Order: sequence, then C-alpha cells, then structure tokens
Amino acid sequence: EPEVTQTPSHQVTQMGQEVILRCVPISNHLYFYWYRQILGQKVEFLVSFYNNEISEKSEIFDDQFSVERPDGSNFTLKIRSTKLEDSAMYFCASSELGQENEKLFFGSGTQLSVL
Amino acid sequence: DAKTTQPNSMESNEEEPVHLPCNHSTISGTDYIHWYRQLPSQGPEYVIHGLTSNVNNRMASLAIAEDRKSSTLILHRATLRDAAVYYCILRDATDLNMKTSYDKVIFGPGTSLSVIP
Repeated sequence: EPEVTQTPSHQVTQMGQEVILRCVPISNHLYFYWYRQILGQKVEFLVSFYNNEISEKSEIFDDQFSVERPDGSNFTLKIRSTKLEDSAMYFCASSELGQENEKLFFGSGTQLSVL
Repeated sequence: DAKTTQPNSMESNEEEPVHLPCNHSTISGTDYIHWYRQLPSQGPEYVIHGLTSNVNNRMASLAIAEDRKSSTLILHRATLRDAAVYYCILRDATDLNMKTSYDKVIFGPGTSLSVIP
C-alpha cells in the first residue's frame, strides 16, 4: 500500500529556533493535513491544504505556523520561533479527494523536542 | 462536528472477538462513520468506514445500528498487535456558501484496547 513519508523522525531544537518538518504525501493525492499529538494527549488537527492554499486551520495554527508545497512532491510545516509547548509528535496525512467517504493516510510522524 | 462517545478502555483476551462500541446519537443523515486506530508510537491508521449498511474488510467489521445512532467495530480474533487506541469519527461534507468544505478528521480520546495473552 502507498505510504506518506515524514522526515526527520526526530528533531531536537532550541527554543526560539525555526524548524521545518517535511512530508511526502501519496503521489496522486490532492488534500494534505498536519496534526499534532502532545505526549499522553489526543491527536489534534492543525491545518488542511488543497490547491496550494490553506482550506481550514485550527486555533492552534497561529502566525508562528505556516505550510507550503514547495514542489510537486513535498509538503512542509514550518514553525518560525519554537516554544517549549510545541514539543509534540507531528503527523502529516493525505487523501485523494478529501471527501467524507475517503480515508486519510497518515505518516509515522516527526517527534519534535524543544529545549 | 457531530460528537461520538466511546468507553475509555477495554480489555480482550487474545484470539477472542472484540466489540468496540460507539454512540453518535446526534448523527446526521450524511455523516459517514469512520474508525481509525493508533498503535503505540505510530501514526493513526484507517480501519473501516460506512454510512448505513454493515461493512467488512480484511481488518475488521463495522456494524451500524438501524437508526444509525450507534455502531460497533468488530475485531473477529484479537491479536497482540491489535492493542491500540481506537477512534470512532463522523465525517460530513459541509456546503459553505456553495463552496464545499470537506470535513477534516477530528479525533476524540478513543478507546484504549488492551489484549491479554
């Protein structure tokens, strides 16, 4: 089965630094998503992306966050100035048409640790 | 988003069937019922989905009540690898001023399933 690939698997950064988390969605998929999961908590929606623009975002996704599809294969999440509370597992997901009867494919995640 | 209610945790013996319940009493006629699971230290994984009829796939079966206010995920023979958090989620398409916005998947706390050898 096709996979969503995320790199790196672990990222350690200092507070205030910028980080970029990278994802390669499944090649024929058109909808892309970022989620995060703080240790011991539920998976939280951050943002959805379609046709080179954000289609929906949560309250968590403030001005410190941005997403980009820099080329035909990558989908990135940037955090401009990391805070301690940004430490979490970040999951990328994609779906073919984003419809309610489709499934999302998730990557294995990037564990971000902010020191 | 329509809400779902699941037990916080359940236990099952290995090689026995498991029935994971989900209540969604405020479900609308166009909500699809989805199930995902999250194995330890992994990303969520799609399990199954349905609208009105019961569904079967290689991973599980989904039994949907006639009034659609509840559903049950059935693992026919639990293995140790099935120990995970199982999420019951409703998804619908929302027409916002003639621009359809497909609903993102919103996770609740789910049911943590333990499988006893």
